[in-house]
Amino acid sequence: DAGVTQSPTHLIKTRGQQVTLRCSPISGHKSVSWYQQVLGQGPQFIFQYYEKEERGRGNFPDRFSARQFPNYSSELNVNALLLGDSALYLCASSLEALANYGYTFGSGTRLTVV
Amino acid sequence: SQQGEEDPQALSIQEGENATMNCSYKTSINNLQWYRQNSGRGLVHLILIRSNEREKHSGRLRVTLDTSKKSSSLLITASRAADTASYFCATDRGVGQKLVFGQGTRLTINP
Repeated sequence: DAGVTQSPTHLIKTRGQQVTLRCSPISGHKSVSWYQQVLGQGPQFIFQYYEKEERGRGNFPDRFSARQFPNYSSELNVNALLLGDSALYLCASSLEALANYGYTFGSGTRLTVV
Repeated sequence: SQQGEEDPQALSIQEGENATMNCSYKTSINNLQWYRQNSGRGLVHLILIRSNEREKHSGRLRVTLDTSKKSSSLLITASRAADTASYFCATDRGVGQKLVFGQGTRLTINP
């Protein structure tokens, strides 16, 4: 079984541009969460989606948005990129909204804004 | 903001020794989880301990939880070079469906 897959693995964008990151959860997992990890820090929660509905939102500006598709895959969009958006973006999947058995993370997308 | 505080921030030991990392948090929790991260890549789930549990084992890992002190510890016994990584504790309050991570402990195992 494939784990959580994220694409692309790396990308470089210019300030002001827009970016879309993609995540496919483990087969059968209905919940997808997004986290931002700035170098040297722990991950910070951005969004959680369950059954295509937003279930939680972290303290991020409206430039960040996400959605979940009927096949439970998800996209994270970031508009008007700033240098401070440079980070590792992690996707995590779980069977249900309440992850009583932990989350499975993907390998992440390394975003560099120049 | 981050709820968990890991201690120490960095730890370097010899292969075969035991490594202990501590985590403190601020609010009540549903469970506490430990993750490993190699070279800034994805997180690997190690172990989950629920708020009504005090100790849990998984292979060479032992986790304790003291809810009265709002603290947890992760013990890795008989360390190996492959254990070199950053270790994060994360608290799950069971509301808002999110994990709140600490800043991590960077563990280096010297051969």
